[in-house]
Amino acid sequence: AQTVTQSQPEMSVQEAETVTLSCTYDTSENNYYLFWYKQPRSRQMILVIRQEAYKQQNATENRFSVNFQKAAKSFSLKISDSQLGDTAMYFCAFMKHEGSRDLFFGTGTRLTVIP
Amino acid sequence: EAQVTQNPRYLITVTGKKLTVTCSQNMNHEYMSWYRQDPGLGLRQIYYSMNVEVTDKGDVPEGYKVSRKEKRNFPLILESPSPNQTSLYFCASRTGLNQPQHFGDGTRLSIL
Repeated sequence: AQTVTQSQPEMSVQEAETVTLSCTYDTSENNYYLFWYKQPRSRQMILVIRQEAYKQQNATENRFSVNFQKAAKSFSLKISDSQLGDTAMYFCAFMKHEGSRDLFFGTGTRLTVIP
Repeated sequence: EAQVTQNPRYLITVTGKKLTVTCSQNMNHEYMSWYRQDPGLGLRQIYYSMNVEVTDKGDVPEGYKVSRKEKRNFPLILESPSPNQTSLYFCASRTGLNQPQHFGDGTRLSIL
């Protein structure tokens, strides 16, 4: 079974600074997908970024980027130039490349951006 | 507008009173899922469906039922709700394998 671990329940960062959220996972699969979702106070689940395991290049989306280390089974999220609107719960998630099961989620990291 | 719609958004009810949370998507997605979110546990999958009349258990299916009679709808049924089913519930859908999920806005259930 796949497991996803987020070891930082809470983090804070000063506005305009950079913060990195950690995520590790355990799987015997070779091909899979990894995601970061953001959940603000509105409770909506918003896709932040996605990484395909077969791609060596780290995914980036504007101020958000990942550090994907396949051998170490690590998938951290870096937020640059943090903004107040980045305050939210962040979930790391895993999905197998082939198969019918959906996402396996970590327990989340609550990020607070301090003005 | 592409969306996943859940109803109700909030519900307070009592133990043993059957309830249904509806979920509808307008994107013609094959895959639909239900998750529950609890503090410290993240989101855990309850049931999922790969297409009409095809459903399977997720990680925490006990006490829940689902049906998929139409492609767009995937209701979650609690036949005899209990307090340990108090949670935040999300419905999600996606098209094809390995595509990002679209989530509904969540349903907050409180079982007294």
